[in-house]
Amino acid sequence: NAGVMQNPRHLVRRRGQEARLRCSPMKGHSHVYWYRQLPEEGLKFMVYLQKENIIDESGMPKERFSAEFPKEGPSILRIQQVVRGDSAAYFCASSPSLQTQYFGPGTRLLVL
Amino acid sequence: AQTVTQSQPEMSVQEAETVTLSCTYDTSESDYYLFWYKQPPSRQMILVIRQEAYKQQNATENRFSVNFQKAAKSFSLKISDSQLGDAAMYFCAYRGPSMDSNYQLIWGAGTKLIIKP
Repeated sequence: NAGVMQNPRHLVRRRGQEARLRCSPMKGHSHVYWYRQLPEEGLKFMVYLQKENIIDESGMPKERFSAEFPKEGPSILRIQQVVRGDSAAYFCASSPSLQTQYFGPGTRLLVL
Repeated sequence: AQTVTQSQPEMSVQEAETVTLSCTYDTSESDYYLFWYKQPPSRQMILVIRQEAYKQQNATENRFSVNFQKAAKSFSLKISDSQLGDAAMYFCAYRGPSMDSNYQLIWGAGTKLIIKP
Protein backbone atom coordinates (compact mmCIF):
# COMPACT_ATOMS: atom_id res chain seq x y z
CA ASN A 1 0.00 0.00 0.00
CA ALA A 2 1.79 3.11 -1.22
CA GLY A 3 1.96 6.05 1.12
CA VAL A 4 0.80 9.57 0.44
CA MET A 5 2.36 10.81 -2.78
CA GLN A 6 3.17 14.42 -3.50
CA ASN A 7 4.62 15.93 -6.61
CA PRO A 8 6.66 17.70 -7.52
CA ARG A 9 9.06 17.36 -4.59
CA HIS A 10 10.70 20.66 -5.50
CA LEU A 11 9.17 23.52 -7.43
CA VAL A 12 10.80 26.78 -8.46
CA ARG A 13 8.66 29.64 -9.67
CA ARG A 14 9.25 33.30 -10.46
CA ARG A 15 7.12 35.94 -8.85
CA GLY A 16 3.76 36.19 -10.60
CA GLN A 17 3.71 32.63 -11.90
CA GLU A 18 1.33 29.91 -10.83
CA ALA A 19 2.25 26.92 -8.66
CA ARG A 20 0.31 23.65 -8.73
CA LEU A 21 0.98 21.10 -6.03
CA ARG A 22 -0.45 17.60 -6.28
CA CYS A 23 -1.30 15.10 -3.60
CA SER A 24 -2.46 11.51 -4.03
CA PRO A 25 -3.81 10.15 -0.74
CA MET A 26 -3.25 6.64 0.49
CA LYS A 27 -5.58 4.06 -1.00
CA GLY A 28 -8.89 4.06 0.83
CA HIS A 29 -8.38 7.51 2.36
CA SER A 30 -11.05 10.05 1.52
CA HIS A 31 -9.86 12.87 3.79
CA VAL A 32 -7.07 15.18 2.65
CA TYR A 33 -5.38 17.98 4.57
CA TRP A 34 -2.88 20.57 3.42
CA TYR A 35 -0.37 22.19 5.77
CA ARG A 36 2.34 24.79 5.22
CA GLN A 37 5.67 24.82 7.00
CA LEU A 38 7.87 27.89 7.06
CA PRO A 39 11.57 27.44 7.88
CA GLU A 40 12.26 26.63 11.54
CA GLU A 41 8.55 26.43 12.33
CA GLY A 42 5.89 23.80 12.89
CA LEU A 43 3.15 23.08 10.40
CA LYS A 44 0.15 25.36 9.97
CA PHE A 45 -3.19 23.99 8.81
CA MET A 46 -4.47 25.35 5.51
CA VAL A 47 -7.42 23.34 4.23
CA TYR A 48 -9.33 20.11 4.77
CA LEU A 49 -11.12 18.38 1.91
CA GLN A 50 -13.17 15.28 1.36
CA LYS A 51 -13.95 13.99 -2.10
CA GLU A 52 -15.30 16.91 -4.18
CA ASN A 53 -15.91 19.00 -1.06
CA ILE A 54 -13.96 21.64 0.80
CA ILE A 55 -14.82 21.13 4.46
CA ASP A 56 -12.68 23.85 6.00
CA GLU A 57 -10.40 26.36 4.29
CA SER A 58 -10.05 28.66 7.26
CA GLY A 59 -6.25 28.36 7.28
CA MET A 60 -5.83 29.29 3.65
CA PRO A 61 -5.21 32.88 2.48
CA LYS A 62 -8.36 34.30 0.94
CA GLU A 63 -6.65 35.42 -2.22
CA ARG A 64 -4.49 33.55 -4.72
CA PHE A 65 -4.84 30.16 -2.96
CA SER A 66 -7.33 27.46 -3.88
CA ALA A 67 -7.66 23.72 -3.35
CA GLU A 68 -9.67 20.93 -4.85
CA PHE A 69 -10.10 17.19 -4.44
CA PRO A 70 -11.98 15.93 -7.50
CA LYS A 71 -13.85 12.66 -7.71
CA GLU A 72 -11.08 11.27 -9.85
CA GLY A 73 -7.43 12.18 -9.52
CA PRO A 74 -5.23 13.85 -6.94
CA SER A 75 -5.93 16.78 -4.69
CA ILE A 76 -4.51 20.03 -6.08
CA LEU A 77 -3.29 23.06 -4.13
CA ARG A 78 -3.04 25.99 -6.49
CA ILE A 79 -1.23 29.24 -5.80
CA GLN A 80 -1.71 31.99 -8.32
CA GLN A 81 0.65 34.93 -8.83
CA VAL A 82 3.17 33.60 -6.33
CA VAL A 83 5.17 35.97 -4.14
CA ARG A 84 8.40 35.38 -2.25
CA GLY A 85 6.49 34.90 0.98
CA ASP A 86 4.86 31.79 -0.48
CA SER A 87 8.22 30.00 -0.35
CA ALA A 88 7.71 27.13 2.08
CA ALA A 89 7.25 23.40 2.35
CA TYR A 90 3.70 22.30 1.63
CA PHE A 91 2.62 19.02 3.16
CA CYS A 92 -0.38 16.93 2.32
CA ALA A 93 -1.80 14.37 4.73
CA SER A 94 -4.58 11.84 4.35
CA SER A 95 -6.70 9.73 6.67
CA PRO A 96 -9.46 7.16 6.22
CA SER A 97 -11.66 9.04 8.67
CA LEU A 98 -11.07 11.45 11.54
CA GLN A 99 -8.10 9.41 12.67
CA THR A 100 -4.36 9.56 12.38
CA GLN A 101 -3.09 11.68 9.52
CA TYR A 102 -0.36 10.22 7.35
CA PHE A 103 1.89 12.69 5.61
CA GLY A 104 3.43 12.85 2.20
CA PRO A 105 7.04 13.88 1.61
CA GLY A 106 6.10 17.49 0.97
CA THR A 107 6.68 19.92 -1.89
CA ARG A 108 9.34 22.57 -1.39
CA LEU A 109 8.28 25.71 -3.20
CA LEU A 110 10.88 28.35 -3.91
CA VAL A 111 9.77 31.66 -5.36
CA LEU A 112 12.55 33.66 -6.98
CA ALA B 1 -7.93 27.94 21.69
CA GLN B 2 -5.70 24.94 21.91
CA THR B 3 -1.96 25.46 21.97
CA VAL B 4 1.06 23.16 21.98
CA THR B 5 4.38 24.22 23.48
CA GLN B 6 7.75 22.60 23.03
CA SER B 7 10.14 24.49 25.27
CA GLN B 8 13.36 22.85 24.05
CA PRO B 9 14.47 24.21 20.67
CA GLU B 10 17.39 21.77 20.63
CA MET B 11 18.51 18.70 22.56
CA SER B 12 21.58 16.54 22.22
CA VAL B 13 22.28 13.05 23.49
CA GLN B 14 25.09 10.56 23.29
CA GLU B 15 24.45 7.56 21.09
CA ALA B 16 22.91 4.65 23.03
CA GLU B 17 21.72 6.89 25.85
CA THR B 18 18.19 7.99 26.69
CA VAL B 19 16.69 11.39 26.00
CA THR B 20 13.34 12.96 26.88
CA LEU B 21 11.65 15.64 24.79
CA SER B 22 9.03 17.73 26.51
CA CYS B 23 5.66 18.93 25.28
CA THR B 24 2.85 20.72 27.06
CA TYR B 25 -0.52 21.67 25.69
CA ASP B 26 -3.57 23.63 26.64
CA THR B 27 -7.12 22.47 26.05
CA SER B 28 -10.49 22.48 27.75
CA GLU B 29 -11.43 19.16 26.19
CA SER B 30 -11.35 15.89 28.09
CA ASP B 31 -11.07 13.62 25.07
CA TYR B 32 -8.39 14.31 22.48
CA TYR B 33 -5.38 12.84 20.71
CA LEU B 34 -1.70 13.58 20.98
CA PHE B 35 1.03 12.71 18.52
CA TRP B 36 4.76 12.84 18.11
CA TYR B 37 6.02 13.22 14.56
CA LYS B 38 9.63 13.03 13.42
CA GLN B 39 11.03 15.09 10.55
CA PRO B 40 14.50 13.92 9.48
CA PRO B 41 16.73 15.89 7.08
CA SER B 42 14.74 14.41 4.20
CA ARG B 43 11.88 16.59 5.56
CA GLN B 44 9.40 13.71 5.40
CA MET B 45 6.95 13.90 8.32
CA ILE B 46 6.83 10.51 10.02
CA LEU B 47 4.42 9.45 12.75
CA VAL B 48 6.34 8.20 15.78
CA ILE B 49 3.66 7.56 18.37
CA ARG B 50 0.04 8.39 19.18
CA GLN B 51 -1.83 8.66 22.49
CA GLU B 52 -5.57 8.78 23.11
CA ALA B 53 -6.36 10.95 26.12
CA TYR B 54 -8.95 8.50 27.45
CA LYS B 55 -6.30 5.81 27.79
CA GLN B 56 -4.39 5.90 31.05
CA GLN B 57 -1.67 3.60 29.77
CA ASN B 58 1.26 5.35 28.16
CA ALA B 59 1.81 4.48 24.49
CA THR B 60 4.97 2.62 23.53
CA GLU B 61 6.52 1.85 20.16
CA ASN B 62 9.77 -0.09 20.45
CA ARG B 63 12.39 2.38 21.75
CA PHE B 64 9.89 5.24 21.87
CA SER B 65 7.55 5.78 24.78
CA VAL B 66 5.55 8.66 26.17
CA ASN B 67 4.88 9.99 29.64
CA PHE B 68 1.33 11.27 29.42
CA GLN B 69 0.29 13.36 32.42
CA LYS B 70 -3.28 14.41 31.68
CA ALA B 71 -3.78 16.59 34.73
CA ALA B 72 -0.56 18.44 34.06
CA LYS B 73 -1.27 18.54 30.30
CA SER B 74 2.15 17.15 29.62
CA PHE B 75 3.14 14.70 26.89
CA SER B 76 6.85 13.95 26.84
CA LEU B 77 8.62 11.57 24.47
CA LYS B 78 11.35 9.26 25.72
CA ILE B 79 13.80 7.75 23.27
CA SER B 80 15.82 4.88 24.67
CA ASP B 81 19.09 3.57 23.24
CA SER B 82 19.40 6.57 20.92
CA GLN B 83 20.64 5.83 17.42
CA LEU B 84 22.19 8.07 14.82
CA GLY B 85 19.08 7.64 12.69
CA ASP B 86 17.01 9.27 15.41
CA ALA B 87 18.54 12.64 14.60
CA ALA B 88 15.67 14.82 13.39
CA MET B 89 13.20 17.53 14.30
CA TYR B 90 10.52 16.19 16.61
CA PHE B 91 7.09 17.79 16.62
CA CYS B 92 4.37 17.34 19.19
CA ALA B 93 0.82 17.71 17.84
CA TYR B 94 -2.69 17.82 19.29
CA ARG B 95 -6.06 16.99 17.79
CA GLY B 96 -9.43 17.47 19.44
CA PRO B 97 -12.21 14.90 19.96
CA SER B 98 -13.45 12.83 17.05
CA MET B 99 -16.06 15.26 15.81
CA ASP B 100 -16.47 16.79 12.40
CA SER B 101 -15.10 20.10 13.65
CA ASN B 102 -11.96 18.65 15.15
CA TYR B 103 -9.55 17.53 12.49
CA GLN B 104 -6.83 20.12 12.48
CA LEU B 105 -3.55 19.11 13.99
CA ILE B 106 -2.19 21.84 16.24
CA TRP B 107 1.61 21.74 16.21
CA GLY B 108 4.41 22.70 18.53
CA ALA B 109 7.44 24.56 17.18
CA GLY B 110 9.61 21.45 17.26
CA THR B 111 12.73 20.22 19.02
CA LYS B 112 15.89 19.50 17.09
CA LEU B 113 17.47 16.30 18.36
CA ILE B 114 21.21 15.83 17.82
CA ILE B 115 22.80 12.44 18.35
CA LYS B 116 26.48 12.47 19.26
CA PRO B 117 28.43 9.42 18.08
